[in-house]
Amino acid sequence: DSGVTQTPKHLITATGQRVTLRCSPRSGDLSVYWYQQSLDQGLQFLIQYYNGEERAKGNILERFSAQQFPDLHSELNLSSLELGDSALYFCASSAFDRGRNTGELFFGEGSRLTVL
Amino acid sequence: EDQVTQSPEALRLQEGESSSLNCSYTVSGLRGLFWYRQDPGKGPEFLFTLYSAGEEKEKERLKATLTKKESFLHITAPKPEDSATYLCAVQGKNYGQNFVFGPGTRLSVLP
Repeated sequence: DSGVTQTPKHLITATGQRVTLRCSPRSGDLSVYWYQQSLDQGLQFLIQYYNGEERAKGNILERFSAQQFPDLHSELNLSSLELGDSALYFCASSAFDRGRNTGELFFGEGSRLTVL
Repeated sequence: EDQVTQSPEALRLQEGESSSLNCSYTVSGLRGLFWYRQDPGKGPEFLFTLYSAGEEKEKERLKATLTKKESFLHITAPKPEDSATYLCAVQGKNYGQNFVFGPGTRLSVLP
């Protein structure tokens, strides 16, 4: 058990719909990362938050948005869903602090999104 | 742009047959290179961090090494439970705190 909790584990929805994925990081971790993993691609970085603020942005579509709340949990919102958005969405947290690289990401079990 | 490639894409070994997985990278100033193991339907699990060329880390049957352009994950006398996808990731100095992952090597160890 990594200590990172993601909900829901599975989600089936239709094209055009909107879903919200939730992530609770390990206790004390300030950084949260979101990754997308589909069958034909590896782990694709979407976005990172550090203590409530956006820190880095990857290949995140405009239809997707995320935020990190004061209690450090994070939500990834996916809207106007398309078939190609079907994937595993992982959240990870780290103890990274300014100037100190712990080098380790703790991943949740993922949320499997299926768009029909 | 930081990039990571891994080879081979898939590898099948007999139990006890040692081999190596390769991770090649280009990065603007390496903060660290990381190895993860991922089982089907699960999140990646951290294995090693390497910070500088010449560094080596070991854990049970796994040993990771690092040069200026690539890293190797050596698997000695593997067992079926070592079957998994092994992911390599890098963190560069010019890209915030992002970790860039390679596509992985799918390892199957047959009894």
